[in-house]
Amino acid sequence: KAGVTQTPRYLIKTRGQQVTLSCSPISGHRSVSWYQQTPGQGLQFLFEYFSETQRNKGNFPGRFSGRQFSNSRSEMNVSTLELGDSALYLCASSILAGPYNEQFFGPGTRLTVL
Amino acid sequence: QKEVEQNSGPLSVPEGAIASLNCTYSDRGSQSFFWYRQYSGKSPELIMSIYSNGDKEDGRFTAQLNKASQYVSLLIRDSQPSDSATYLCAVHPPGGGGSNYKLTFGKGTLLTVNP
Repeated sequence: KAGVTQTPRYLIKTRGQQVTLSCSPISGHRSVSWYQQTPGQGLQFLFEYFSETQRNKGNFPGRFSGRQFSNSRSEMNVSTLELGDSALYLCASSILAGPYNEQFFGPGTRLTVL
Repeated sequence: QKEVEQNSGPLSVPEGAIASLNCTYSDRGSQSFFWYRQYSGKSPELIMSIYSNGDKEDGRFTAQLNKASQYVSLLIRDSQPSDSATYLCAVHPPGGGGSNYKLTFGKGTLLTVNP
């Protein structure tokens, strides 16, 4: 069974630009969560989607947004990039959502903002 | 108070020894707990999940949960150099509705197993 895939794997952008990251969950998984990982803050929750609905959002500014499609694939968008947005962006999928559903991570997208 | 705390390490153990990794959490009603392993430059990989008090064993790994003490640990027996990585503790918070759909991670413990 194929794992979670994320594209692109690496991105270099400049301040003020916007970026869209893509995530394809494991086949049959309907919940997709996004996390930001930085050396200083660790792994921080961005948002979670299930059946095309955002059900939870972390403490990030409105520049961070996302969506989920009917095939469970998800995208996240960051507008007006700032230097501090440089991070590893991780997507995780689970069959459903809730406390007893294990989340499996994709390889991540490494975003560098210059 | 941080929601999930781990000793950042580094924790250094000799090959063949038992490595003990610890994690405490603040939300008493937290329901499920996970250990992830992350090699440098890679994404987190799920190792263990535990939901009930007590021990859960899987190969060389044992997860231990004590909800009364709000404490979860991971033991790695017969540690190998390939176990050298950062180990992340993740906790699913209590509560229903929207708050029920995320994991809160500790900042991880760096483990080094010396040959």
